[in-house]
Amino acid sequence: DAKTTQPPSMDCAEGRAANLPCNHSTISGNEYVYWYRQIHSQGPQYIIHGLKNNETNEMASLIITEDRKSSTLILPHATLRDTAVYYCIVTGYSSASKIIFGSGTRLSIRP
Amino acid sequence: NAGVTQTPKFQVLKTGQSMTLQCAQDMNHNSMYWYRQDPGMGLRLIYYSASEGTTDKGEVPNGYNVSRLNKREFSLRLESAAPSQTSVYFCASCTGTRNPDTQYFGPGTRLTVL
Repeated sequence: DAKTTQPPSMDCAEGRAANLPCNHSTISGNEYVYWYRQIHSQGPQYIIHGLKNNETNEMASLIITEDRKSSTLILPHATLRDTAVYYCIVTGYSSASKIIFGSGTRLSIRP
Repeated sequence: NAGVTQTPKFQVLKTGQSMTLQCAQDMNHNSMYWYRQDPGMGLRLIYYSASEGTTDKGEVPNGYNVSRLNKREFSLRLESAAPSQTSVYFCASCTGTRNPDTQYFGPGTRLTVL
């Protein structure tokens, strides 16, 4: 699986948009970008994924650059409950692929 | 629908003791995974089972064994626990048939080896 690079920490004011960057310059054509988050010491939680088009769901938006070498996760209106470690992962077909978790980005939301 | 469940939630062992961590999922998923997470680190894959009857090593398999008991259950065994195995252990599952697929995680087992 391709490796990803994320900033170790970020902070954001409550109510503002949180933009979390991720570099994945060695991504292959059939690999997806996934985002998970881990709140405190709970099990990771799926947020969103995409291949090359921008994606949006009830939790977040995912913006993938045209060359697919980087992406940004956007939490449009961050709340204190969004304080977590966010993992950007690149992965292919699930039955053979093994998710490689990096260290992620620790996002702190300021009141 | 409980999703992925893990037992026990907490465990303290002495060096050399053995134990089995249990994981079960009720989502009819084919693939199951065991990860460990050390303080301040990301998750590392120990073993996984792409489908019932198969298991494969992940990044850090040494000191562990696994059993895919049936489609629902995937256990992780520590034969002779060491302090270096103090960690939080997460089990996960996914359909194993979709592309792309999403992993669903259990709440974790917090293990301390003295």
